[in-house]
Amino acid sequence: QQQVKQSPQSLIVQKGGISIINCAYENTAFDYFPWYQQFPGKGPALLIAIRPDVSEKKEGRFTISFNKSAKQFSLHIMDSQPGDSATYLCAASTGGGNKLTFGTGTQLKVEL
Amino acid sequence: KAGVTQTPRYLIKTRGQQVTLSCSPISGHRSVSWYQQTPGQGLQFLFEYFSETQRNKGNFPGRFSGRQFSNSRSEMNVSTLELGDSALYLCASSLAGQFPYEQYFGPGTRLTVT
Repeated sequence: QQQVKQSPQSLIVQKGGISIINCAYENTAFDYFPWYQQFPGKGPALLIAIRPDVSEKKEGRFTISFNKSAKQFSLHIMDSQPGDSATYLCAASTGGGNKLTFGTGTQLKVEL
Repeated sequence: KAGVTQTPRYLIKTRGQQVTLSCSPISGHRSVSWYQQTPGQGLQFLFEYFSETQRNKGNFPGRFSGRQFSNSRSEMNVSTLELGDSALYLCASSLAGQFPYEQYFGPGTRLTVT
């Protein structure tokens, strides 16, 4: 049972554009939602995370939007750069714990 | 501060053999979690260790096991390897006791079973 659904599977964005990746979850007990960035041959790196008591969190060019009633959250990458080309993984856990349930990943390519 | 380290980085084994992977967490981190990443199933949680005790477990067969030492270093073992065990095995550490428990991943061990 896939508890976190991520879309799109792949995304091509022009340099300077906005990249938007969406995730939907089923388990209402989830209360911690991190996003990870993964480059080929590397482990995932924590980008930004949010808890359901806020609707938006921004760190630099990265913003998480959270909709508790719709059980959805999304990652926005503003002014996308070629260096942002990577796989982005959303995840969720209960009790802020370490059992992360991951989405299937989005392969982002930023073109010049 | 050094990141999470995993050894070995690459491993080739034959069906039926067993394998042991090692993970050293970030200094001061007491929780270590293991994940399996495959193209078909994505990233899946295996188990978590804290203070040398398994605290959480994913839906993997008993062939997958782990342990944690008093210095927080952890090992995972896979016995009777199957072709489907070929994957990237990732270890993540966190400062347990501080909500939320931000997890930091190592580079992974690429296991190939032939």
